[in-house]
Amino acid sequence: SQQGEEDPQALSIQEGENATMNCSYKTSINNLQWYRQNSGRGLVHLILIRSNEREKHSGRLRVTLDTSKKSSSLLITASRAADTASYFCATDMDTGRRALTFGSGTRLQVQP
Amino acid sequence: GAVVSQHPSRVICKSGTSVKIECRSLDFQATTMFWYRQFPKQSLMLMATSNEGSKATYEQGVEKDKFLINHASLTLSTLTVTSAHPEDSSFYICSASGQNNEKLFFGSGTQLSVL
Repeated sequence: SQQGEEDPQALSIQEGENATMNCSYKTSINNLQWYRQNSGRGLVHLILIRSNEREKHSGRLRVTLDTSKKSSSLLITASRAADTASYFCATDMDTGRRALTFGSGTRLQVQP
Repeated sequence: GAVVSQHPSRVICKSGTSVKIECRSLDFQATTMFWYRQFPKQSLMLMATSNEGSKATYEQGVEKDKFLINHASLTLSTLTVTSAHPEDSSFYICSASGQNNEKLFFGSGTQLSVL
């Protein structure tokens, strides 16, 4: 079953603005990861945050994790038209399995 | 980062035919590969976990006789959609991880269209 729900489902912003996407999940996790997918393509790994971490940065990306609320957020600062894509959170559940369970995704449109 | 090659990228076939999709890890040994399915504008749903040298583990609701998975080597897993029907039309994506690797590396996906 799908682990995570993301909101918003779709987000349209102007270039230069910040984009925030949220992800909620249901069970204990080892880590949470964010991926990007351009239309009809495979997924690109963006960032991984472990269950004992609260915040992580990578370039224009900032990820937070609140395990008490079972939620995470991805912030893209100073967005660019090239950031237009779908973004998925994925959890590595604490079950011994290594498969990732994906959230429902946020479709981001950055208007030039 | 590690590279996972998946092909074909697109296949159109007639109903009733079988289609094989290959997933290769190019620069690392993938002890485990995962096959996902994605419908338009939806998320990825795990179909099965493929372990080298052993039988694949299928998720609930995924027919193992319909979706045959073979992981004969540490660098290759194949998914065969047998007797494909229009409802099997979807985007199929494989991913792979090496030993002790938390990240998954994804293939570029295969768009299957069954007429």
